[in-house]
Order: sequence, then C-alpha cells, then structure tokens
Amino acid sequence: QQQVKQSPQSLIVQKGGISIINCAYENTAFDYFPWYQQFPGKGPALLIAIRPDVSEKKEGRFTISFNKSAKQFSLHIMDSQPGDSATYFCAAAISNFGNEKLTFGTGTRLTIIP
Amino acid sequence: SQTIHQWPATLVQPVGSPLSLECTVEGTSNPNLYWYRQAAGRGLQLLFYSVGIGQISSEVPQNLSASRPQDRQFILSSKKLLLSDSGFYLCAWRGDGQGTEAFFGQGTRLTVV
Repeated sequence: QQQVKQSPQSLIVQKGGISIINCAYENTAFDYFPWYQQFPGKGPALLIAIRPDVSEKKEGRFTISFNKSAKQFSLHIMDSQPGDSATYFCAAAISNFGNEKLTFGTGTRLTIIP
Repeated sequence: SQTIHQWPATLVQPVGSPLSLECTVEGTSNPNLYWYRQAAGRGLQLLFYSVGIGQISSEVPQNLSASRPQDRQFILSSKKLLLSDSGFYLCAWRGDGQGTEAFFGQGTRLTVV
C-alpha cells in the first residue's frame, strides 16, 4: 500500500526557473515530512524537512509548502541550477517511539537544462 | 560524528547463489537500522528495519532476510538469489526522537545474472 504519492515522475526545467514537486499522503498520523536528494550512484541525503505545525519552511533556494487539510506538501526549488539535477524523494513518518518507519514517495527525476 | 558504511558497492551474482550485504554504523548507539531496495519507477521500498539487536521487522514477503548480530551491524542475506532480486540496496540509520533524519549508506548495486 503506497501511503505517499509523488508527482511528477520526471521534470525538466530551464536554468533559473522554478522546479515544483508534489506529494500527497493518506495517513493523518504522519507528522514529519522530509525531502531527500539523490545523485546517481549515491544514497539519498536529507535536503529539507517540515512538521505540520507550519505551512511553509524555506532554506536557501528550497521551500516546502505544506497543506494539512489537503494532506499535500510540495518542494519548490527557486532559481534552479544544473547542479540541482538529481532524483528527489518526499517522505513521511510518525515520529514517536514504536513508529520508526520512513515511508518514501516514488521519486522525481529532475533535470535542469542550460 | 556518525558514519555509515555499506559494502560492497557493486556485486554481480549468479541466480541461485547466496548473498550477504553488510552495513555498519559508527559514532552512535542503539540506532534504528533499515534496508531499502530501490528499483526504477518504484522509489525506495522498505525491506527490513530493526530497533535493536536481534529485532527484525519485515515489510514485504520475499527471498531475503535480515539480521542484526550487533548493535551497529545490519546484514541483508539470501540463500538463493533470484533474477528479481537485482536492484540498488540501501542501508540507513535513524536515531530515536521526533523528526530525526535518516542517514543513508552509499548503496550496493546488485545484478543477478
């Protein structure tokens, strides 16, 4: 059962543009929503994360927007650069003892073209 | 600082052969440990996780098994590999507590031929 749905599967954005990746979840018990960035042949690494008590979190060019009522969250990459080309995964977790699983979306392959 | 080691980086094995992938974590104690498999178009599929020595939870029925013989060691095994076991295997660890980050190893690219 897929509990986190991610779209699009692939995305091509011109350099300097805005990249937007969307995720939707089903389990209302989720309370931790990270985004991971993965380069080819490497393991994913945490990019930015949000908790549902805020609607937006920004770190540099990366912003998470969170809509609790719609059970959706998205990653926005401003001024996209070729170095941002990677696969991005959203994830969700229930952050209390006894619930250690991190559920991932299916990933978005982002390509930034010059 | 904490580090996670996973090996080998690449592996080519014949169908029916055994498998052993090892993952170790340094710089932390009692981590939560995970094995994920990554296949094209399917994202990161959680295979096993462990919250302590000897404690293994399996997420999907399959040809694989996991063991945690020591606090910071996590092993993924198979007695007889299938073609469908090919993929990119990732080990990860998380600490306890709210919103803790998962740290991934560099992965093992397994090709079963």
